[in-house]
Amino acid sequence: DAKTTQPPSMDCAEGRAANLPCNHSTISGNEYVYWYRQIHSQGPQYIIHGLKNNETNEMASLIITEDRKSSTLILPHATLRDTAVYYCIVQHFSNSGYALNFGKGTSLLVTP
Amino acid sequence: SQTIHQWPATLVQPVGSPLSLECTVEGTSNPNLYWYRQAAGRGLQLLFYSVGIGQISSEVPQNLSASRPQDRQFILSSKKLLLSDSGFYLCAWTPSMNTEAFFGQGTRLTVV
Repeated sequence: DAKTTQPPSMDCAEGRAANLPCNHSTISGNEYVYWYRQIHSQGPQYIIHGLKNNETNEMASLIITEDRKSSTLILPHATLRDTAVYYCIVQHFSNSGYALNFGKGTSLLVTP
Repeated sequence: SQTIHQWPATLVQPVGSPLSLECTVEGTSNPNLYWYRQAAGRGLQLLFYSVGIGQISSEVPQNLSASRPQDRQFILSSKKLLLSDSGFYLCAWTPSMNTEAFFGQGTRLTVV
C-alpha cells in the first residue's frame, strides 16, 4: 500500500471549516483514499473514502486532486467534538487481504 | 447488524506474565481481522491481520503472537510480557470485499 504524509497537528476555530491535507504521491490506480478519526481512548471511526471523484457525506467532504497524489478532508463547520486525530490511509482491496497501515495522523484541535 | 467485541477493557499485568486478549465479531462471516497497538501519544501500529481461519500475517516482529481458531475470533497472546508491551490494543474487522474498517473499543494494557 502507498504511504501517506500528514501534518502532525492543526488548529481550527469552532464554526469554521477544517481542511486536513494528505499526500499520497505513490498511490496506484486501484488504491482508495480512506479517512478515519480517533477520539481519545476510543477506536477509530470511519469518515469517508474515495477513488477518483470528490465525495461528500453527512460528516465531511473529500477532495482528491486530479493526479490523485494528494487529498483534503473538509469538515465544513467544525465543532469542539471534532477534536480528534485524523488518519488518511490508502489501500486496495483484494481477495488475498491487505494490511491497513494508519501511521500517526493529524491531531486536530478545535478551539472555541 | 454486525458488532465487534473486545475484552477486557483494561488490564494490568506484571512483567513476565502471559497475555491473552480476545476479539469476536458477530453478524458477519469470513471477515478480515486486525490487531493494532497504540503506544501513548503514538499512531496506530498494525501488529497482525488475518484473512481466514489459521491464516495470520505479522507486520512487526515482537513479543506477541496471534491466532484465529474460529472464523470470527481473533486472539492476541504473549508468553512473557515486557514493559514495552504496554499500550492501547485495538481489534478491527472489515468485510471480505469492502475496506471500511470497524474497530472495537480497545484494551488498555499496563505492564508493571
